[in-house]
Amino acid sequence: KAGVTQTPRYLIKTRGQQVTLSCSPISGHRSVSWYQQTPGQGLQFLFEYFSETQRNKGNFPGRFSGRQFSNSRSEMNVSTLELGDSALYLCASSHASSSYEQYFGPGTRLTVT
Amino acid sequence: AQKITQTQPGMFVQEKEAVTLDCTYDTSDQSYGLFWYKQPSSGEMIFLIYQGSYDEQNATEGRYSLNFQKARKSANLVISASQLGDSAMYFCAMRPGGSQGNLIFGKGTKLSVKP
Repeated sequence: KAGVTQTPRYLIKTRGQQVTLSCSPISGHRSVSWYQQTPGQGLQFLFEYFSETQRNKGNFPGRFSGRQFSNSRSEMNVSTLELGDSALYLCASSHASSSYEQYFGPGTRLTVT
Repeated sequence: AQKITQTQPGMFVQEKEAVTLDCTYDTSDQSYGLFWYKQPSSGEMIFLIYQGSYDEQNATEGRYSLNFQKARKSANLVISASQLGDSAMYFCAMRPGGSQGNLIFGKGTKLSVKP
């Protein structure tokens, strides 16, 4: 069974631009969660989608948004990029929202210059 | 407030020895889940072990065991017979009760295994 895939793996953007990151969960998994990892703040929860609905949201500004498609693939978008958005963005999938088996992808490393 | 505390920023262990990574948590929920993840330098988070708050026995997965002390709100990870490949960041995480996919992570412990 293929694991969680994230594209692209690396991305360089400039301030003010927007970016879209993609996450394909493990086949059969319907829940996708997104996390931001930075050296200063550590791992922080962004949002979770289940069956195309946002079920939970972390404490991030509205510039961070996401969506999930009918095939469970998810995208997250960051608009008006700031230097502080430079981070490793990780997505995790699980069969159901309450499932404890949450599997992470390799992440997308975003650098904002 | 819900919080995970890992007090050891870095640790060294000799190959083949056991090591304990500390984790304490803070929650007022009765039902919650505790996790340990390993993050090698490649960045991918690897699930190691899970303990539910109502589980009476400590979880074990191969060389990993979780020393769960509910009254003390601690969930330490024990790695037996350390291997060079165990060198990585280790994160303790909690899923609060009623949460749907949300994990709260600690700051992590960097484990270095010496040959």
